[in-house]
Amino acid sequence: EPEVTQTPSHQVTQMGQEVILRCVPISNHLYFYWYRQILGQKVEFLVSFYNNEISEKSEIFDDQFSVERPDGSNFTLKIRSTKLEDSAMYFCASREPAGFATEAEQFFGPGTRLTVL
Amino acid sequence: AQTVTQSQPEMSVQEAETVTLSCTYDTSESDYYLFWYKQPPSRQMILVIRQEAYKQQNATENRFSVNFQKAAKSFSLKISDSQLGDAAMYFCAYRRGNAGNMLTFGGGTRLMVKP
Repeated sequence: EPEVTQTPSHQVTQMGQEVILRCVPISNHLYFYWYRQILGQKVEFLVSFYNNEISEKSEIFDDQFSVERPDGSNFTLKIRSTKLEDSAMYFCASREPAGFATEAEQFFGPGTRLTVL
Repeated sequence: AQTVTQSQPEMSVQEAETVTLSCTYDTSESDYYLFWYKQPPSRQMILVIRQEAYKQQNATENRFSVNFQKAAKSFSLKISDSQLGDAAMYFCAYRRGNAGNMLTFGGGTRLMVKP
């Protein structure tokens, strides 16, 4: 069964460093998302991406964050200068185009645990 | 803005018994979807069940069913014949009907299953 994959599973970085989190969405999906979950808290939406541009973003997604689909398969989240409070689990998700039977469902990857020291 | 509230931070159920997890939401939209996601200790988000707001019939998936009360904006999850593997965090989530919209999650309910 197709699945969303994310690398790395765990990333440790120093405060102020740049990190890139990588995701490979399911191949025929066209909508892509990043969510984060600070330990012990709810899952929060960061950004959605469609047709090579951001379609929606939250207040969390400030100028320190950017997303990119550099090729036909990867979807990346970059944090330019990490802060301690960026420590969280980051989930990538993808969705089929509208009109497919499961078009409402977002499929989540296993997450990348980011630890900022 | 839409909000999703799960009023039970923790619930406990005896193996083989039935448990109901509560969720309420607030929206002014008429077209939307509701979901329950399971998050085991691995922290993977797994879709358990979904409900389209335009459907009056409650969704069911094997041992999992929902009680969708649209007027009351309530969306509870019932787990029948609870198994040890059901122990996890459960998140209720809302999504507007338009394509590409984000999920809004509740705060989660930790379900413990006692053998």
